Amino acid sequence: GEDVEQSLFLSVREGDSSVINCTYTDSSSTYLYWYKQEPGAGLQLLTYIFSNMDMKQDQRLTVLLNKKDKHLSLRIADTQTGDSAIYFCAESEGNTPLVFGKGTRLSVIA
Amino acid sequence: DAGVIQSPRHEVTEMGQEVTLRCKPISGHNSLFWYRQTMMRGLELLIYFNNNVPIDDSGMPEDRFSAKMPNASFSTLKIQPSEPRDSAVYFCASTRAFFGQGTRLTVV
Repeated sequence: GEDVEQSLFLSVREGDSSVINCTYTDSSSTYLYWYKQEPGAGLQLLTYIFSNMDMKQDQRLTVLLNKKDKHLSLRIADTQTGDSAIYFCAESEGNTPLVFGKGTRLSVIA
Repeated sequence: DAGVIQSPRHEVTEMGQEVTLRCKPISGHNSLFWYRQTMMRGLELLIYFNNNVPIDDSGMPEDRFSAKMPNASFSTLKIQPSEPRDSAVYFCASTRAFFGQGTRLTVV
């Protein structure tokens, strides 16, 4: 079945850029998503990208998609302590349910 | 809109008891998803509904789990009888974008 892989931990200094990486196996993926989960809360959709795009920027967030390598990344510019959370990558094909990665825990050091 | 509302936020129950988790999706959204989150297995899709109809329940772990959506504004996930390995955080999502705060279930 489909699989989504992420590294489990990332630690960055406040003000630096964070890059969270994700790989997926489903070549039919049409949408790829990034979610943020803060402690004790549900998942918050941050951004998504269609598979026919290779980049999307939204304020401090930049998503890069390499469809050939099935690699997705989320870059957070000027990382703040409030960005500390778990970030989930997810993919879907059409209207099928999302397949989530296990999440990357981002720690921001002041 | 208040977003997706789940209740209760926390539930502690004894093994063998029936547990019912509730979800009120965002008005006008026609799909609803139930997920389970554990440290070991991450986020697992249990079941999803489109227009109140269950579309895929292949993620429901056993017959002890059942879910209903009697109308567009309410869904339940029931576990009967509950077991300690059911302990997890259960999320309801209204479409793909809007998650509830979750119900943390502990079965002792």
